[in-house]
Parts: sequence; structure tokens; C-alpha cells
Amino acid sequence: EAQVTQNPRYLITVTGKKLTVTCSQNMNHEYMSWYRQDPGLGLRQIYYSMNVEVTDKGDVPEGYKVSRKEKRNFPLILESPSPNQTSLYFCASKAWGTGGGRETQYFGPGTRLLVL
Amino acid sequence: AQSVTQLGSHVSVSEGALVLLRCNYSSSVPPYLFWYVQYPNQGLQLLLKYTSAATLVKGINGFEAEFKKSETSFHLTKPSAHMSDAAEYFCAVKYGGSQGNLIFGKGTKLSVKP
Repeated sequence: EAQVTQNPRYLITVTGKKLTVTCSQNMNHEYMSWYRQDPGLGLRQIYYSMNVEVTDKGDVPEGYKVSRKEKRNFPLILESPSPNQTSLYFCASKAWGTGGGRETQYFGPGTRLLVL
Repeated sequence: AQSVTQLGSHVSVSEGALVLLRCNYSSSVPPYLFWYVQYPNQGLQLLLKYTSAATLVKGINGFEAEFKKSETSFHLTKPSAHMSDAAEYFCAVKYGGSQGNLIFGKGTKLSVKP
């Protein structure tokens, strides 16, 4: 089954304790992206990657890191989490460049993070 | 900056009534347009998308949307609401062809009353 998976689904942590949220897709997609969803703000892009070893900042990259060493994986790293990073996080992927921009983006189930 | 606006953060309809969720984009160049649905405790799922073919786009679960360039709109409709339609709906736009990223609206939460 074609899917985007994220782990963990729920996470409670404390300020300053480094954490990683994993994201994996099995559709051989070039493009992957991370979003955060906050009430009343919709989804905002954190980082995206157009292919292996190619990453770029989205609209709200502060406090986050990413890496893309393999095509299927795109982990989100919070080096020193703070309470304002409490949010619902989504990973997404899509094919790149074959449809001129009209490709559908597929989303993971989300990771709910609480930073105390 | 290019943006997308969803009018109404909450919409409530009765079961069987028309559903109308509004979305307007800001650009003189028509972008690609998408509607996503998010059911409680789930990720986003594509409902439909406009990619410059037919202006009336049919999606899953009986939803459709019409692209109106003169109004810079892409409103989502369903003739008869069902209880299972209760969810949050996001309009998204993509500018810049293959290079651009998806820009999401703030979402509209749809409630369906019995």
C-alpha cells in the first residue's frame, strides 16, 4: 500500500531535550516536506526537499533541522525543543517535475508533539 | 505575497443541506488549486484538484469545485451534506509550476447537524 508513515504519532517531551520525528514514504517520490498545523493558522511549511541531499527552508524553519540522506526518509529534528513548538506535524511527499506542478501531495497521519 | 483565503473558520449545515466552502486566491496568474479534507485525528486527504483542464472539477465523496478566474475563486460544494462529511477542509494553491510549494488556507471546520 502506498503510504507516508510517521513515528512517533504522539510525543510528550521537555524543553531542551533533542528529539527526532521520522518520516518514510514507499512511493519513490522525489519531493518531501514537513508542515506544522496550529489552530487558526492552517498548515505552514517548515522544510522541504526536492531530492536526496537537497533541502530548503519553508515558511517557519526556525528551531528545526532536516536531512535527506535517502530518498524514502526525511526526518525532522528538534535540537532544543521549546513550548512554542507544541503542534501537530505532518510529513508529505509527491512526485517531482513530471506534472509541471499539478502532482498530488500525500500526507502522513501526523505527529502530535507536546513540549513542556 | 501570494496567498489563499478561506472565508469562515467554521461552517455548520443540516444533514441534506447544501455545503458551500469558500476559497479565494490572490494572483493574476491562475495557479493549481487543491482541496484537502482532514477527518478527526487523521492526516490530509486529497478531495480534488484543478490543473487548468475543465473548470468544474469533481472529486471524491460527491464534492465538486468550480474554478472562476474572474472571481479568483475555487469554492467547494456538495449538494447534500452527510454526517460523515464533518471534518476540516483546506484549500491550497500552488504557484510557480514545478518549482513552487503548496500554500494552504487556514481551514474551514464543517459541522453537520442531524
